[in-house]
Amino acid sequence: GENVEQHPSTLSVQEGDSAVIKCTYSDSASNYFPWYKQELGKRPQLIIDIRSNVGEKKDQRIAVTLNKTAKHFSLHITETQPEDSAVYFCAASPNFGNEKLTFGTGTRLTIIP
Amino acid sequence: NAGVTQTPKFQVLKTGQSMTLQCAQDMNHEYMSWYRQDPGMGLRLIHYSVGAGITDQGEVPNGYNVSRSTTEDFPLRLLSAAPSQTSVYFCASSYLGGPTYGYTFGSGTRLTVV
Repeated sequence: GENVEQHPSTLSVQEGDSAVIKCTYSDSASNYFPWYKQELGKRPQLIIDIRSNVGEKKDQRIAVTLNKTAKHFSLHITETQPEDSAVYFCAASPNFGNEKLTFGTGTRLTIIP
Repeated sequence: NAGVTQTPKFQVLKTGQSMTLQCAQDMNHEYMSWYRQDPGMGLRLIHYSVGAGITDQGEVPNGYNVSRSTTEDFPLRLLSAAPSQTSVYFCASSYLGGPTYGYTFGSGTRLTVV
């Protein structure tokens, strides 16, 4: 089955700086790559996703890039704010949707005021 | 529109007891799934369903059963609870083929097995 590795496990960034979280996946058939944000004690929420026919997608301060050849994808957060502090999960699926979606182990992002 | 409703929010079980975690959604989502979340291990898929009457195993199915008799409900049964099943359990639902793919998660059930 799919294996998703996520790095780093923890990340501290000065407010206003950028944060980058990287993931690699093992199954070349994977074609859907969402990112979820989970605040302390709350449920995960989708923040952005990308499909394999797209190399990059941006939504305001958040962007995701995908390199299918290398089988890795990254989350970029610019101009970080205290409310960006949370655990972020990447995930991969072979079905252009959530069927058999496999998550990474998460990155705890702390924004230092 | 309540989204995904999970009950109970907290539960303590003794080893060997059985119980059912309830999950219901009112968004007419075809796809429903159960994940467990453990520290440092992310979210691991237990079982999933692509529609009423259809279920399949995920990454960590042992010790759990599911059924999907209606589109709305997807209960998770622990057959004989073990301490290794202490975890936070999330139910999630989504459309299968669009228009949007994002999961809607329930609020979670924190289960402790003693």
